[in-house]
Amino acid sequence: NAGVTQTPKFRVLKTGQSMTLLCAQDMNHEYMYWYRQDPGMGLRLIHYSVGEGTTAKGEVPDGYNVSRLKKQNFLLGLESAAPSQTSVYFCASSYWGILYEQYFGPGTRLTVT
Amino acid sequence: GENVEQHPSTLSVQEGDSAVIKCTYSDSASNYFPWYKQELGKRPQLIIDIRSNVGEKKDQRIAVTLNKTAKHFSLHITETQPEDSAVYFCAAAYYGNNRLAFGKGNQVVVIP
Repeated sequence: NAGVTQTPKFRVLKTGQSMTLLCAQDMNHEYMYWYRQDPGMGLRLIHYSVGEGTTAKGEVPDGYNVSRLKKQNFLLGLESAAPSQTSVYFCASSYWGILYEQYFGPGTRLTVT
Repeated sequence: GENVEQHPSTLSVQEGDSAVIKCTYSDSASNYFPWYKQELGKRPQLIIDIRSNVGEKKDQRIAVTLNKTAKHFSLHITETQPEDSAVYFCAAAYYGNNRLAFGKGNQVVVIP
């Protein structure tokens, strides 16, 4: 099993450009999450999904959109990138939900210039 | 919402000594407290977790203790080794909130 994978690993965007980050898991997990990690800030939840076709806002959702059309994939979109969105983005998944282990992907390092 | 704080932000220990990291949480409804370890450039990984119906849990050289009255929980690492050098994140959650609130992380440095 590959576990949780993320595409791409690195990306540089100019302000105003758009992009989509892909998260895929092969563990048949219902729950999926997108976090951003900034120095000294820990992990902050952007959006999450409790199942195929569902999404919900997390702690810092502004400037991001998500979709969960297939159970194994969770996409994070930036419609108009801003320098404040420079960060490392982690996707995670969980079988039983928030009270159980989350399995993280390797992360995507995004720089917006 | 839940707020989790970690102390100290950086901890240096001699190899073989013990390390203790303490976290405090704000919401008395929280009943799940995991600890994640993140090595440099790697993904966070769960190392131990505890639920509010127990006060202590051990797994080899690591243990977690929970004090619900004071709303704090601690990670204990005994006989530290160089591979224990990492950032450790504590977190808290409760059923129905759908959000795992992370602390800002502790950098642990084990000095050989």
